[in-house]
Amino acid sequence: DTEVTQTPKHLVMGMTNKKSLKCEQHMGHRAMYWYKQKAKKPPELMFVYSYEKLSINESVPSRFSPECPNSSLLNLHLHALQPEDSALYLCASSPVNLGMGNQPQHFGDGTRLSIL
Amino acid sequence: QQQVKQSPQSLIVQKGGISIINCAYENTAFDYFPWYQQFPGKGPALLIAIRPDVSEKKEGRFTISFNKSAKQFSLHIMDSQPGDSATYFCAASTATSGSRLTFGEGTQLTVNP
Repeated sequence: DTEVTQTPKHLVMGMTNKKSLKCEQHMGHRAMYWYKQKAKKPPELMFVYSYEKLSINESVPSRFSPECPNSSLLNLHLHALQPEDSALYLCASSPVNLGMGNQPQHFGDGTRLSIL
Repeated sequence: QQQVKQSPQSLIVQKGGISIINCAYENTAFDYFPWYQQFPGKGPALLIAIRPDVSEKKEGRFTISFNKSAKQFSLHIMDSQPGDSATYFCAASTATSGSRLTFGEGTQLTVNP
């Protein structure tokens, strides 16, 4: 079992729906990440939060809206998605890089999202 | 310059054999090189990682070999088992990249019984 928990595991939504993906970790990590992964491809970074502040947005379309309500939770709000947004959405967490070298990222098992 | 090139794309090994996956990079600022293992329907799991101040790191049956001058690193899986069948991703990052991981394209490993 992973220490990063993502819900739901599967989500099917229409292009006009609004839904949210949730991620929770209790490892005391203060950096949290959203990735998108297409089949047979590596994860692609979308957003990074550090100390609950958005630090990296990899030019993600505004139909994806991240939120970090506290140090343990990370949400991804979805609205007006396109069929090409169908993918596995992964959350990860790590200690914050304090200039002493990168820290290992721990991934959840993802939410499999299908857009009809 | 941010690319990490991974080979082979797929690999079939007999049980008990050695699986070898190679990665090459261009950016000399990379200073952290993790390997992730991903099973179908699961997220990537950190397998082993190395920093460029060492040439080799071993954890159980898994070994990373690192060649700084050649800008290459590889994963060796000794005594490969059917349970090792998964997709393996190498990755690299720099201390100043804001924790961005640059992933290789992945290797699908199949270990036959």
